[in-house]
Amino acid sequence: GAGVSQTPSNKVTEKGKYVELRCDPISGHTALYWYRQSLGQGPEFLIYFQGTGAADDSGLPNDRFFAVRPEGSVSTLKIQRTERGDSAVYLCASSSDRVGEQFFGPGTRLTVL
Amino acid sequence: SQELEQSPQSLIVQEGKNLTINCTSSKTLYGLYWYKQKYGEGLIFLMMLQKGGEEKSHEKITAKLDEKKQQSSLHITASQPSHAGTYLCGADQAGTALIFGKGTTLSVSS
Repeated sequence: GAGVSQTPSNKVTEKGKYVELRCDPISGHTALYWYRQSLGQGPEFLIYFQGTGAADDSGLPNDRFFAVRPEGSVSTLKIQRTERGDSAVYLCASSSDRVGEQFFGPGTRLTVL
Repeated sequence: SQELEQSPQSLIVQEGKNLTINCTSSKTLYGLYWYKQKYGEGLIFLMMLQKGGEEKSHEKITAKLDEKKQQSSLHITASQPSHAGTYLCGADQAGTALIFGKGTTLSVSS
């Protein structure tokens, strides 16, 4: 079947704007994760969903970041009042269980000018 | 909080040579994952280790977890250009998300 998909693949925005990043996980996967990866660094955890609820949002850097997964499938990461420091690759992953292999999408490269 | 340190940070090897990448954790590992990432792409799962002393192999890549479960190594035998990329180790944090090391970038010269 299809893997994890993310849209858009690239997003360029201006400082202060609002952006939405979408993740479509593997069908049937109940766990969904958002990570952020800066150049030369490993992925950094942002938020984890089990079904529709955010089971752990301790990685969100501040209240400008918010994520939803209303029907337990597609998830949207929302960033308000973007700052240049938000520029990074945002990765989404899903898994069939909370422990085990996570399947990653190709990422969305966000550039804030 | 748990931290993972990878060494070396980068590596250039000649095609056909063997190499080893290390991942050291500040705390006991309950699940250790190895991923490979090519520039501009997502992470590709390689292997998962859970038990002390565990060793897994896939094609020419072997990963080991030490008995104390604080260090893992990834060994590539007879490297090929297709092995080039960034290798990341990730640790399972109490069954939620993974924390990752900074990665080891491998280049293979032909």
